[in-house]
Amino acid sequence: SQTIHQWPATLVQPVGSPLSLECTVEGTSNPNLYWYRQAAGRGLQLLFYSVGIGQISSEVPQNLSASRPQDRQFILSSKKLLLSDSGFYLCASRLAGAGTDTQYFGPGTRLTVL
Amino acid sequence: AQSVSQHNHHVILSEAASLELGCNYSYGGTVNLFWYVQYPGQHLQLLLKYFSGDPLVKGIKGFEAEFIKSKFSFNLRKPSVQWSDTAEYFCAVIPGAGSYQLTFGKGTKLSVIP
Repeated sequence: SQTIHQWPATLVQPVGSPLSLECTVEGTSNPNLYWYRQAAGRGLQLLFYSVGIGQISSEVPQNLSASRPQDRQFILSSKKLLLSDSGFYLCASRLAGAGTDTQYFGPGTRLTVL
Repeated sequence: AQSVSQHNHHVILSEAASLELGCNYSYGGTVNLFWYVQYPGQHLQLLLKYFSGDPLVKGIKGFEAEFIKSKFSFNLRKPSVQWSDTAEYFCAVIPGAGSYQLTFGKGTKLSVIP
């Protein structure tokens, strides 16, 4: 079974500072990877998804970006954080292929922008 | 674009009470349906899923959900809740085959009073 790691678990950053959140997946190859943001009372918002190395689709226009430098590594970045970027960021992995539509989630990173 | 509605933001029940959490989706085609649960301080976990076949799906910890296509609903049920069921519950939909995008409802917080 696959395991999803996210680093760091919590982060406090000043407005205008850069951001880099990392997600790595073990126990699978060629997964589809996702970044979500979870805000209280607003559910999960899909930010980015990737079907392969270097392939990124953005769902929401914002000052965040994502990259997939390796098959099992997915990075969420920002050059300059905004207060509105505060939230709980979840990485998810979905095994590619028929009958594998289930997404599994990592432990998340809680980001506070001050 | 598809959307998912969860009717209750916060449900408070006493132990042994029966639970039903509503979920409706807006998408006319074939869908795959999920309920995820997030216990306090823990990962988002898959509770149950429906892809095809018997519309009554049984999940972990005594939960079940019924897919009613004519009502575009996938309500979650448990006949007798326990204090340990206190968590936030998310309904999610992925339309058809080959889609990458899982759409979540806003979540329902369940508080079970001992």
